[in-house]
Amino acid sequence: DIQMTQSPSSLSASVGDRVTITCRASQSINTYLNWYQQKPGKAPTLLIHAASNLQSGVPSRFSGSGSWTHFTLTISSLQPEDFATYYCQQGYSNPRTFGQGTKLEIK
Amino acid sequence: EVQLVESGGGLVQPGGSLRLSCAASGFTFSDYSMNWVRQAPGKGLEWVSYISSSRTIIYYVDSVRGRFTISRDNAKNSLYLQMNRLRAEDTAVYYCARGNFGDYIDPFDYWGQGTLVTVSS
Repeated sequence: DIQMTQSPSSLSASVGDRVTITCRASQSINTYLNWYQQKPGKAPTLLIHAASNLQSGVPSRFSGSGSWTHFTLTISSLQPEDFATYYCQQGYSNPRTFGQGTKLEIK
Repeated sequence: EVQLVESGGGLVQPGGSLRLSCAASGFTFSDYSMNWVRQAPGKGLEWVSYISSSRTIIYYVDSVRGRFTISRDNAKNSLYLQMNRLRAEDTAVYYCARGNFGDYIDPFDYWGQGTLVTVSS
């Protein structure tokens, strides 16, 4: 199975900050990497697919980059509604696997 | 508007069975693959199973293979997960998630609200 490792596991930041979350795959996954946001008590929502493609309706302050084993999710200017947990997910092979999550908290 | 509504969760004893359902609306259900993803209390996301749009391709994570069965009824716009020989470690919120067009598994672009399965004596 492909292991997905996110860093950091938690992060404190302020409104307006630029934030970057990293996701590393245990083997090359090309750009088969998706990012999700989950708020407490809610289902996840898709933010980015295929490493860098913004899902329809997602604000442009979110962006994704990377390939092979190293990926990043960047939020250019944090808004109050962005405080949530973020997960990466590899779509290269089965079983599909997620990172352990990065909890973004208000400083 | 795409909607996915899960049902069928509840409390079950270890070794018992449960059948989850997911009712889909707002899109052509038969065109898309579907998935089940679960989340244990306070934990991360775990992909459980996949079924292609035509029902010809099915995958499971190793921990549930042989115990869980995914199925779909395209005429009823419904996805199912039959869970047998349940274990305590199966306790989780179970989400149905829409996959991609045809046989492609992901990304998971729409999710239901989830249904809680608790396995305990």
